[in-house]
Amino acid sequence: NAGVTQTPKFRVLKTGQSMTLLCAQDMNHEYMYWYRQDPGMGLRLIHYSVGEGTTAKGEVPDGYNVSRLKKQNFLLGLESAAPSQTSVYFCASGPYNEQFFGPGTRLTVL
Amino acid sequence: AQSVTQLGSHVSVSEGALVLLRCNYSSSVPPYLFWYVQYPNQGLQLLLKYTSAATLVKGINGFEAEFKKSETSFHLTKPSAHMSDAAEYFCAVTTTGTASKLTFGTGTRLQVTL
Repeated sequence: NAGVTQTPKFRVLKTGQSMTLLCAQDMNHEYMYWYRQDPGMGLRLIHYSVGEGTTAKGEVPDGYNVSRLKKQNFLLGLESAAPSQTSVYFCASGPYNEQFFGPGTRLTVL
Repeated sequence: AQSVTQLGSHVSVSEGALVLLRCNYSSSVPPYLFWYVQYPNQGLQLLLKYTSAATLVKGINGFEAEFKKSETSFHLTKPSAHMSDAAEYFCAVTTTGTASKLTFGTGTRLQVTL
């Protein structure tokens, strides 16, 4: 039982490049979330999903897209990376009474 | 709409002293409240949660928090700080009908000194 896993752990991009972050959970959760963490700002919700095939925007969705083709996976895409997207990205899954977080992906955009 | 305010971005205590980290929330419906801890270069770990049962909630590592509706607060306490408690602590809120979306405070970094 691995819980919530994220790949990759680190990534450096140049402005304009694209990439996909993968989140996987083995707890059969319906709800999954992508957050970004920036110094002094806590965690902010980017996008979320309430089930396979559904996604919705969170607080800071601009510049990101997501897909939930399989229940256990939630992908976060950056089509054209910008320096403002330098951050630590966390995936989470779970119901209202407990969300489980992945270890994070540290992304730097030069 | 829901929101969380954490007073004090940095708190420093001596080892053995009381730890008090403050969290106030705003919610138009009954909230569910959480405290998470983040150690350096790690993810978030749930410390404790309030989900409308007992108002005094005990968590891991000796931490506890009390839900006070009249004060809209959910402060985190520990009677005696240990060096291993040094970390960043986040308070978060969610409510029913919001797809369990968590709204986080900006975090409080706890420093423990000898």
